[in-house]
Amino acid sequence: DAKTTQPPSMDCAEGRAANLPCNHSTISGNEYVYWYRQIHSQGPQYIIHGLKNNETNEMASLIITEDRKSSTLILPHATLRDTAVYYCIVRTEYGNKLVFGAGTILRVKS
Amino acid sequence: DTAVSQTPKYLVTQMGNDKSIKCEQNLGHDTMYWYKQDSKKFLKIMFSYNNKELIINETVPNRFSPKSPDKAHLNLHINSLELGDSAVYFCASSQTRGVPDTQYFGPGTRLTVL
Repeated sequence: DAKTTQPPSMDCAEGRAANLPCNHSTISGNEYVYWYRQIHSQGPQYIIHGLKNNETNEMASLIITEDRKSSTLILPHATLRDTAVYYCIVRTEYGNKLVFGAGTILRVKS
Repeated sequence: DTAVSQTPKYLVTQMGNDKSIKCEQNLGHDTMYWYKQDSKKFLKIMFSYNNKELIINETVPNRFSPKSPDKAHLNLHINSLELGDSAVYFCASSQTRGVPDTQYFGPGTRLTVL
């Protein structure tokens, strides 16, 4: 699985959009970009995933660049409960382990 | 209803003891996993079972033995516990056929070895 690079931490004001970047320059054609988050003391939670098109669900939007070497997770209106470690993971679609890096600590502040 | 549940939530024990952690999922998934999160907060895969068959075994000491009595359960037994085994252990499950493989995690079991 391709490696990802994320900033170690970010701050965001409550109610504003949180934009979390991820670099995955060695991504292969059959690899997806997945985002999970881990709120303190809880198990990781799936957020969203995509292959090459932008994706949106009730939690977030995922913007993948045309060359697929980077992506951005967008939380449109961050709340205090969105404070967590966000993990960007690249992997093939089925049956493989998730390889977690250090992630980005997002702090949402009032 | 809890999708992926683990028991116990906390486990404190002495070095050298044998202990088990249980995991159950009610999502009808065919694959289950064990991950370990150490004190530095890195999450690493340990094992994966698909339809009760071991498919991933990541260089884990053989003191760790997963057991899957059926698709809905994956238990983790640890023999001769060591200080370095102290960590949070997460169980997860996913459906690996026909749909995107999203893993759902349990709440974790915090193991402390004294």
